[in-house]
Amino acid sequence: DIQMTQSPSSLSASVGDRVTITCRASQSISSYLNWYQQTPGKAPKLLIYAASSLQSGVPSRFSGSGSGTDFTLTISNLQPEDFATYYCQQSYSSWTFGQGTKVEMK
Amino acid sequence: EVQLLESGGGLVQPGGSLRLSCAASEFTFSSYAMSWVRQAPGKGLEWVSGIIGSGGSTYYADSVKGRFTISRDNSKNTLYLQMNSLRAEDTAVYYCAKERRSSVGSCYHDYWGQGTLVTVSS
Repeated sequence: DIQMTQSPSSLSASVGDRVTITCRASQSISSYLNWYQQTPGKAPKLLIYAASSLQSGVPSRFSGSGSGTDFTLTISNLQPEDFATYYCQQSYSSWTFGQGTKVEMK
Repeated sequence: EVQLLESGGGLVQPGGSLRLSCAASEFTFSSYAMSWVRQAPGKGLEWVSGIIGSGGSTYYADSVKGRFTISRDNSKNTLYLQMNSLRAEDTAVYYCAKERRSSVGSCYHDYWGQGTLVTVSS
């Protein structure tokens, strides 16, 4: 099974900050990596698919990069609505999620 | 706008059974694979099961294999999850999610339902 490890598990940031979350796969997954945002009590929302493709309707301050085993989600100019938990997900072999990264207000 | 509406959650005793449903609308249901993903209270996301558009192939996480059965009725635009031999560790919000394949072949879940809570407790 492919394991996904996110770092950090949580971070504190302020509105306007640039935030970077990393996700590492236990083996190469090419670009089969997706990112989701989840706020409390809500379903996950797709942000980025295929490592770097922005889902329709998602603000351009969200971006993704990486391939192979190492991936990054970047939020530039953090907005109040971006305080949430973020999950990476691999779809190379079955499906596996990272443990999540909670972005909290500093 | 794509809509996915889960139902069927509730409180069940250990060893009991429950069937979840997910009613889909505003897309050609039979053309898309679907998944069930769960989230235990305060925990992360766990993929549970998937099924292709025709219903001809199904997939399961090891944690539910042999106990859960995924199915679909394309004439009713509805996805199901039959859960048997339920355990306390199956307690979670269960989401149905629509799958989509990118131009490079990778898959992702582009739409999710609001979830239904399953509680396994005596």
